[in-house]
Amino acid sequence: NAGVTQTPKFQVLKTGQSMTLQCAQDMNHEYMSWYRQDPGMGLRLIHYSVGAGITDQGEVPNGYNVSRSTTEDFPLRLLSAAPSQTSVYFCASSIRGPVEQFFGPGTRLTVL
Amino acid sequence: GNSVTQMEGPVTLSEEAFLTINCTYTATGYPSLFWYVQYPGEGLQLLLKATKADDKGSNKGFEATYRKETTSFHLEKGSVQVSDSAVYFCALSDRGFGNEKLTFGTGTRLTIIP
Repeated sequence: NAGVTQTPKFQVLKTGQSMTLQCAQDMNHEYMSWYRQDPGMGLRLIHYSVGAGITDQGEVPNGYNVSRSTTEDFPLRLLSAAPSQTSVYFCASSIRGPVEQFFGPGTRLTVL
Repeated sequence: GNSVTQMEGPVTLSEEAFLTINCTYTATGYPSLFWYVQYPGEGLQLLLKATKADDKGSNKGFEATYRKETTSFHLEKGSVQVSDSAVYFCALSDRGFGNEKLTFGTGTRLTIIP
């Protein structure tokens, strides 16, 4: 099993550009989530999904969109990048709920 | 709302030293408590957990006891190794109104020097 994979590992964007962070898992997990990690703030939940076709907002959803068309994939879209979205983004998955999630290696995003 | 407070870092220790990383929490219900570890360049991994008061979670020589009376879940290890260098996150899970949510602390960076 590859576990949770994220691409790209690093990305630099200009303000206003859009992009999609990819996340995939091969463990047949129903629950998937996206977090951002900022210095001194721990991890904050952006969006989550409890199964294919179902998504919901987390703590900091503004500026991000998600969809869950398959069990395996949970992409995160930045609609119009802003410097405040400079962060490290983690995707995670679990059989059920946010507890005992498996985390991907992260994507470091810089918005200039 | 729920919150987790953990000691400010960074923490630097010599190999074989005793480690304590403090964590206290505020929660309205009866949370489960967790410690996650993030090694350099990797995602978070669950290190240990405790689901009710007085439970002790343990893994890889680390221990933490769920203390309801002091709302604490301090992480301890008797003899640290260089390979323990990482960022440690305390977290709680509280099932509020059927929606389980994980709340993280800010993380404590630990560096062990040989």
